[in-house]
Amino acid sequence: AQSVAQPEDQVNVAEGNPLTVKCTYSVSGNPYLFWYVQYPNRGLQFLLKYITGDNLVKGSYGFEAEFNKSQTSFHLKKPSALVSDSALYFCAVRAPFTGGGNKLTFGTGTQLKVEL
Amino acid sequence: DVKVTQSSRYLVKRTGEKVFLECVQDMDHENMFWYRQDPGLGLRLIYFSYDVKMKEKGDIPEGYSVSREKKERFSLILESASTNQTSMYLCASSPPGTRTSTDTQYFGPGTRLTVL
Repeated sequence: AQSVAQPEDQVNVAEGNPLTVKCTYSVSGNPYLFWYVQYPNRGLQFLLKYITGDNLVKGSYGFEAEFNKSQTSFHLKKPSALVSDSALYFCAVRAPFTGGGNKLTFGTGTQLKVEL
Repeated sequence: DVKVTQSSRYLVKRTGEKVFLECVQDMDHENMFWYRQDPGLGLRLIYFSYDVKMKEKGDIPEGYSVSREKKERFSLILESASTNQTSMYLCASSPPGTRTSTDTQYFGPGTRLTVL
């Protein structure tokens, strides 16, 4: 079975500082990894994904994530946080294609709060 | 842009009522999904469908059923609503995953259901 852990319920960071939102995963085979963001009273928006290739993946709004196979991690990062980045962030994993849809398993989410 | 719409943003129902949540996507996607989102639990998959009239149980199907009569529409049905089904319900769609790629899930805005 595949699973995702987001160890921090909330991350606080000052505007302009770098931010990291942590994610570790467990899956059989090479993982497909995703980050989504949810703003208040909205659905989830796709940020970035790792399928294969370069371990550093760049996504929307200046976010990037680093895939680390040995540590089974896929941490989300941004060099300089903005107040508008405050939102709920979800990490998700999928095992390689097994037929019949592409089910994702989501983490429990990390609330990011960026303060002035 | 992919658009996934859900029939209601907010819904209030009484215990024992039959509840229909509708989801429509406009990108001819094969896969459609229903999740529920609860604080501290993240997103949990209720049901998904990878083709018209096809459905598979997700992680928490009890108390729910689904219908997919047309490719663009995926309905979630609560046969007899209960208070523990009070939650945010999110619909998503995606093209089919393949052995060499995987595809992003696109989410609707969500329906916040309250069962009294």
